[in-house]
Amino acid sequence: SQKIEQNSEALNIQEGKTATLTCNYTNYSPAYLQWYRQDPGRGPVFLLLIRENEKEKRKERLKVTFDTTLKQSLFHITASQPADSATYLCASYSSASKIIFGSGTRLSIRP
Amino acid sequence: NAGVTQTPKFQVLKTGQSMTLQCAQDMNHEYMSWYRQDPGMGLRLIHYSVGAGITDQGEVPNGYNVSRSTTEDFPLRLLSAAPSQTSVYFCASRDGGAEVFFGQGTRLTVV
Repeated sequence: SQKIEQNSEALNIQEGKTATLTCNYTNYSPAYLQWYRQDPGRGPVFLLLIRENEKEKRKERLKVTFDTTLKQSLFHITASQPADSATYLCASYSSASKIIFGSGTRLSIRP
Repeated sequence: NAGVTQTPKFQVLKTGQSMTLQCAQDMNHEYMSWYRQDPGMGLRLIHYSVGAGITDQGEVPNGYNVSRSTTEDFPLRLLSAAPSQTSVYFCASRDGGAEVFFGQGTRLTVV
């Protein structure tokens, strides 16, 4: 079955460093991948979308890459801040109507 | 715009009771979905709808019913609550694009 996997359950890094989160997909070739941020007690919020023909996309301190050979997307936060601490979810279509999510990576930025 | 509104925010049920989680969106979105979120398992799709009068099953539909009589509303019914249905439930909507908008979630405990 089609799967989105985020293998790192948690990531702890120091403020100012670059955080890199990984998303892998199996058993299909998504036309795009999305990244969401989720804070405790709240619903996920959309951050970025990258299409399969785009190698890289940036938004302020965020950068996303899409490698169709490795079947992987990387999500980077540069110059990380404690306010970036949250759970980050990767998502994509599993069919024309259904969007599936990975299990998320809980990012903690320590001062 | 209120976006996606879910009620209630918290609910405790006894095993065997039934209830309806309400979801409404004011963005005129065609697509609506229900997800449940459990620790370590990410967001799993329960049911989804591609328009009024059309619903379909997601990954974990057993024990849940949905209907979509209007574009705005997409209630989720628990027929006979079980402890395994203890979870956080998110309603979501989107238009033909990919960005998904989520409600704030309903934390359900079945005792």
